[in-house]
Amino acid sequence: QSVLTQPTSVSAAPGQKVTVSCSGSSSNIGNNYVSWYQQFPGTAPRILIYDNNQRPSGIPDRFSGSKSGTSATLRITGLQIGDEADYYCGTWDNSLSGYVFGSGTKVTVL
Amino acid sequence: QVQLQESGPGLVKPSQTLSLTCTVSDGSVSSDDYYWTWIRQHPVTGLEWIGYIYSTGNSYYNPSLKSRVSISIDTSKNHFSLKLTSVTAADTAIYYCAIKKKNYNWFDPWGQGTLVTVSS
Repeated sequence: QSVLTQPTSVSAAPGQKVTVSCSGSSSNIGNNYVSWYQQFPGTAPRILIYDNNQRPSGIPDRFSGSKSGTSATLRITGLQIGDEADYYCGTWDNSLSGYVFGSGTKVTVL
Repeated sequence: QVQLQESGPGLVKPSQTLSLTCTVSDGSVSSDDYYWTWIRQHPVTGLEWIGYIYSTGNSYYNPSLKSRVSISIDTSKNHFSLKLTSVTAADTAIYYCAIKKKNYNWFDPWGQGTLVTVSS
């Protein structure tokens, strides 16, 4: 059971928008930065968003992140077939004294 | 950019010790900028942070694994290692090494990962 809760899957048609939620608590999301990772089948996760809403170089601005209270959200606009992947949120948990990941969300392009 | 490559046995017997190495290229494990990290991914339960070590040797472990895990640095070989003792089938996972930058809480880059199966 992950400390951070994500929907199992979300889907939308090409060109549309999807949002992936990540729900936590005051011991994790509420008081720490959130990062998001993208993982394609058979490959390692890669950083997509860090510090709640910052994009590393090379990540398109179609990907954006936000945080409010104890929840974080990843938004993907202009959805493309190539965006089909698993997406994970992550942050530090002060109570557990460790880094925690969300359960992961599979994004499907219809 | 720093590159990472995991290596080690793909099969470990129950109750034995899992040992993996992460070789660092285009960077130094002596760097003051990074925490050298291990993360694993279970087929069902997802990503799990195992722990990381700083160049000074200070290490930080997932409390749920702390009694069985150790991470070390070998500056002469420019690699860092993971040891997990008393393994069971629940330790079967893909093991990744990764970098956490000092003062930040995210991981990049990651190695390609190596599958370790615990079975007799």
